[in-house]
Amino acid sequence: NAGVTQTPKFRVLKTGQSMTLLCAQDMNHEYMYWYRQDPGMGLRLIHYSVGEGTTAKGEVPDGYNVSRLKKQNFLLGLESAAPSQTSVYFCASSYASAGESYEQYFGPGTRLTVT
Amino acid sequence: KNQVEQSPQSLIILEGKNCTLQCNYTVSPFSNLRWYKQDTGRGPVSLTIMTFSENTKSNGRYTATLDADTKQSSLHITASQLSDSASYICVVSGLNQAGTALIFGKGTTLSVSS
Repeated sequence: NAGVTQTPKFRVLKTGQSMTLLCAQDMNHEYMYWYRQDPGMGLRLIHYSVGEGTTAKGEVPDGYNVSRLKKQNFLLGLESAAPSQTSVYFCASSYASAGESYEQYFGPGTRLTVT
Repeated sequence: KNQVEQSPQSLIILEGKNCTLQCNYTVSPFSNLRWYKQDTGRGPVSLTIMTFSENTKSNGRYTATLDADTKQSSLHITASQLSDSASYICVVSGLNQAGTALIFGKGTTLSVSS
């Protein structure tokens, strides 16, 4: 039982390049989330999904797209990376809505630098 | 505006000592409050989750308290260990434009020295 895994762990991009971050969970959770964590700020929700085939915008969705084609995977895409997207990205999952007291499990993070 | 404020921003204590971290929130309506521990370079790990009706919850040497009337919570760490060095994040469930959401504090960085 690996929990929540993220690929890659580190990445350096040039401005304008694109990439996809992969999140996988093996706990059969319905809800999945993408957050970003910046120095001096709390985690901020980018996008989330309440089930396979669904996605929804969070607090800071601009510049990102997501897809949930399989229940266990949640992909975060950057179509044209900008230096402002330099951050640590965390994926999380929960059995049901974390807002309703369900445990939320986080992955180890992806450190992305855009130059 | 929904906000979660934590204090102090950072704290240094000696191994074996106790400490208390504070969390004040202005989130409404309130559903639950959680404390997470985040080790450097790792994702957050849940310590406790408390609903409106709970005013204390323990997880080993960690004890969280909640006063929903004053909108304050604290995390007390007993007999600290070097492995307690981490960031501790208070998270409150509230409503935003997207529906029910978790609002994260900026965290308190705890350093335990020998």
